[in-house]
This record gives sequence, structure tokens and C-alpha cells, in this order.
Amino acid sequence: RKEVEQDPGPFNVPEGATVAFNCTYSNSASQSFFWYRQDCRKEPKLLMSVYSSGNEDGRFTAQLNRASQYISLLIRDSKLSDSATYLCVVRANQAGTALIFGKGTTLSVSS
Amino acid sequence: NAGVTQTPKFRVLKTGQSMTLLCAQDMNHEYMYWYRQDPGMGLRLIHYSVGEGTTAKGEVPDGYNVSRLKKQNFLLGLESAAPSQTSVYFCASSYGGYNSPLHFGNGTRLTVT
Repeated sequence: RKEVEQDPGPFNVPEGATVAFNCTYSNSASQSFFWYRQDCRKEPKLLMSVYSSGNEDGRFTAQLNRASQYISLLIRDSKLSDSATYLCVVRANQAGTALIFGKGTTLSVSS
Repeated sequence: NAGVTQTPKFRVLKTGQSMTLLCAQDMNHEYMYWYRQDPGMGLRLIHYSVGEGTTAKGEVPDGYNVSRLKKQNFLLGLESAAPSQTSVYFCASSYGGYNSPLHFGNGTRLTVT
């Protein structure tokens, strides 16, 4: 099993749709989790951290399921500007070597 | 506040040439990282530093060297470039706590012919 796995997509959805991505991780000792957004040919940018109790930021909701070792990202009311690649990031400890990036899930929102 | 700045943005090298990529951050972060990103491979850690004067190997360190002489700067060196090092290189920094996210620079697109 790969350390961090994501469905590469692409997910093609119309504006206004709700879309969800999952990310599974293999290291049960993982301590912190993030979702990053990466636009084509640009640097990854932090979308949101993922907390144990789940957290929401506007149209975005992140959930963590430690028992099943996955995190999820839900996007409501999709906008054209949400089109990007979403990277799941998992950190097992403070050291940099334990910060693992998924390969990303591509989202395309169309009008 | 510039955040994380990488120079150069683009570079073309011939096989065997050397170069240094510079990363500078103005957020007083302790940790700095160099990643490479290739199609279908995701981001892979080359080297990282947990403080001034310290460096450590990441997942794919071969062919690269790094130095962190000043807290705000992290240099990535290619002593003898190879076509396999054609990639997009990203520098990142963080303050180092468990929940500290990475802040990335704009990237350097390197082509080795």
C-alpha cells in the first residue's frame, strides 16, 4: 500500500455541484494532515489543515477518520475557480522526511 | 512580506554543468525544504534543514547538495547536471511544529539537455 493515495481523477463537475475527494494514508502514527491546492504550473498553496474533529472553511469541509486512515475534502457549490489539483499531505512527525504528499486529484469545474 | 522567494525561475543547462538554486524566506521559519515535482510522481523531498547550519537527506538526495549557512537561505546545488534532473523544483519553509503547514516558493523550472 502506498503511503498516501489519492484518486487522480479527473473529476469533471458542473458549477454548483458538490464534490468530495478522499485520501488514504498507511502510517497509523501520522500526526497532522493538510489539503493543498495546486494550479497548473504554480506552487502548491495551503487550502486547509485537517483537525480530528473535522473543520470547515466556507464551502470547504475537511474530515479525518483515524480508524480507517483516510481524510476527505468536500467542496460545496463548486465554482469555475475551484478547478485545480488538490494534494493530500500527511505528516508522521516533525521531521521533514515524514511529510508525504499524495499525487493529487484533479478537479475541473465547467459552466 | 515576500514569503518564500526562489531564484532563478527558469534555467536550461547542458549535461555536466553545475548550478545553484537559491531559496530565501522572510518568515523566520526554522525548517526549510527542497522538493522536486515530476509528472505522475508528485512532490518528492530532496533535502531539508531543521535549522541554520543543519541539513539532512530526503527521499531523492542523489546528485544534489544543500547548504543552510543563514537561517533565511537554503541553497540547492547540482554539481554535474543530468537529464534526469529536468524537473520543477520547489522550496518550502515552515516554523516546524506538528501542525505547521509548508509555505512554498514559486518554483524553478530546470531543463537539462
